[in-house]
Amino acid sequence: GQQLNQSPQSMFIQEGEDVSMNCTSSSIFNTWLWYKQDPGEGPVLLIALYKAGELTSNGRLTAQFGITRKDSFLNISASIPSDVGIYFCASQETSGSRLTFGEGTQLTVNP
Amino acid sequence: NAGVTQTPKFRILKIGQSMTLQCTQDMNHNYMYWYRQDPGMGLKLIYYSVGAGITDKGEVPNGYNVSRSTTEDFPLRLELAAPSQTSVYFCASSYSYNEQYFGPGTRLTVT
Repeated sequence: GQQLNQSPQSMFIQEGEDVSMNCTSSSIFNTWLWYKQDPGEGPVLLIALYKAGELTSNGRLTAQFGITRKDSFLNISASIPSDVGIYFCASQETSGSRLTFGEGTQLTVNP
Repeated sequence: NAGVTQTPKFRILKIGQSMTLQCTQDMNHNYMYWYRQDPGMGLKLIYYSVGAGITDKGEVPNGYNVSRSTTEDFPLRLELAAPSQTSVYFCASSYSYNEQYFGPGTRLTVT
């Protein structure tokens, strides 16, 4: 299957800092999703993107569907301790294909 | 809506034992999935189903079996448990292939 390259693998930041992470592939995708997994819990869907160039916000989170359709990024502004967790990107080549998940970015926020 | 529920939350098995992990969703989703997540790793798809009576293998199906007799339930069966099956198991469901909603997980240890 297609691979998603998610970076960075891990981040250690201070509370209040902004965070940026991204997901890239050599293939073209028509859907990008971003999930967050709190420690000991299942992943929760944060943002879904369906059009190239689309920019969508959810509170302090903003995600964009890259114009080339091969990448997406997720920004978190003014981080807080509860932002700690693993952030996964997921993507879909066509509406009839399964989701492919990235390996995740582990975020640690120091108070 | 309870969403996706999984039982049990935790289980310890001896090598060679069998067990069934239960998954139920109340969102009337046709698509259901089983993933495993090893420590520090991403999600690997075990099996999935696109509707009652229809199941298919994912990336890592060996050692597992599934059935889908109703829209709501998608149990995962482990026969002859092995230490390599120690993992966290997540069930998910979706309306189509994309926006998947995950359960809280079952933490399984095989010793």
